[in-house]
Amino acid sequence: SSELTQDPAVSVALGQTVRITCQGDSLRSYYASWYQQKPGQAPVLVIYGKNNRPSGIPDRFSGSSSGNTASLTITGAQAEDEADYYCNSRDSSGNHRGVFGGGTKLTVL
Amino acid sequence: QVQLQESGPGLVKPSETLSLTCTVSGGSISSYYWSWIRQPPGKGLEWIGYIYYSGSTNYNPSLKSRVTISVDTSKNQFSLKLSSVTAADTAVYYCAREVTIFGVVTYTYFDYWGQGTLVTVSS
Repeated sequence: SSELTQDPAVSVALGQTVRITCQGDSLRSYYASWYQQKPGQAPVLVIYGKNNRPSGIPDRFSGSSSGNTASLTITGAQAEDEADYYCNSRDSSGNHRGVFGGGTKLTVL
Repeated sequence: QVQLQESGPGLVKPSETLSLTCTVSGGSISSYYWSWIRQPPGKGLEWIGYIYYSGSTNYNPSLKSRVTISVDTSKNQFSLKLSSVTAADTAVYYCAREVTIFGVVTYTYFDYWGQGTLVTVSS
């Protein structure tokens, strides 16, 4: 089991807004980072820190955090956004170990 | 542009030791954390552990008794050894650079990843 909990699957209509969430006690102390993974490819960083996007990531991707929940929002989802999304942070042990959420499969309808 | 490349055997026998190396190019291995992450077929990502360029390490508790991560700064490489492997260790293994920002709220992120290498445990 993972210390970060994500919904296994979420769907969104093309052009609509979708929020993917990640819950865990450690998120009260650490910001999450978010990764997009398409089949057969390595994960790609899409959001880190409070709400930072690496160069090349579209501005329709944004992040937020409240209490023990981190969220990744895609505003105006595109067909190419269909992928698995993973959150990552440190665990809640205080030992600075890493942990990933179980992943959310995003389907764009 | 930093690039990471995993290398090592794609097939390991049960009970033996899995050994992988990650070669970092386009940048120095100094001043960052360097991580190993794996993904069993059809499953999610699992953090294995990291090494700081100075040599300090931190491992996933579920793997800690079997994992060793080491660094060779002269070659800009870091390595993973996982002992006593079983079929459950079959996975794509990724190496990645981890950035840690200490502040009012600390956060980490993996900004560069290798392409991944599939390691199958089978006799």
